[in-house]
Amino acid sequence: EAGVTQFPSHSVIEKGQTVTLRCDPISGHDNLYWYRRVMGKEIKFLLHFVKESKQDESGMPNNRFLAERTGGTYSTLKVQPAELEDSGVYFCASSPRPFTRQGHTEAFFGQGTRLTVV
Amino acid sequence: KQEVTQIPAALSVPEGENLVLNCSFTDSAIYNLQWFRQDPGKGLTSLLLIQSSQREQTSGRLNASLDKSSGRSTLYIAASQPGDSATYLCAVSSRGPTGANSKLTFGKGITLSVRP
Repeated sequence: EAGVTQFPSHSVIEKGQTVTLRCDPISGHDNLYWYRRVMGKEIKFLLHFVKESKQDESGMPNNRFLAERTGGTYSTLKVQPAELEDSGVYFCASSPRPFTRQGHTEAFFGQGTRLTVV
Repeated sequence: KQEVTQIPAALSVPEGENLVLNCSFTDSAIYNLQWFRQDPGKGLTSLLLIQSSQREQTSGRLNASLDKSSGRSTLYIAASQPGDSATYLCAVSSRGPTGANSKLTFGKGITLSVRP
């Protein structure tokens, strides 16, 4: 079974440019999450999709970030225009169910996309 | 607001030593707690997941315990090996701001180095 796949693995862009990150979750996982780790900080939640719907986008830093999940399969995270502080590693994760008190729900993470804005 | 703390940030031990990695969290209303491993330049690999109703989980040389009431978890690694060198992250899942969803809150991780 294929795991969570992210593209690209690395991206270096100039300030002001646009970058689009892609995440392919594990097949059949309705729940898809984006997280980000900036240098020296902990991994932080960005948003959560259930199928194609945004369930929680409380972690999105600002309106320069746009996430989509058309058709409830893969997801994209676009940063436009990119700023220096957007540099970090962007992780995608998927799970078959949301985390609730019922059931054993594990999050499966991709290898991350390292974004460097110069 | 849930906060997760892992101390120390880095740890170096000789091969063969048994060790304990600590994790603490501020809000005990969690759904589960997950320990991850991250190798340099790689993604996160799930090691163990403990549901809120459980006290511990074991996988091979790893044993994770959970004391929800005190907001603590430990990851015990028996007979450490150089291949165990990695960053170990603790994450708790808890209810999100709208009450209907949930997310993981991570600690900064502990970078472990096992010396041959």
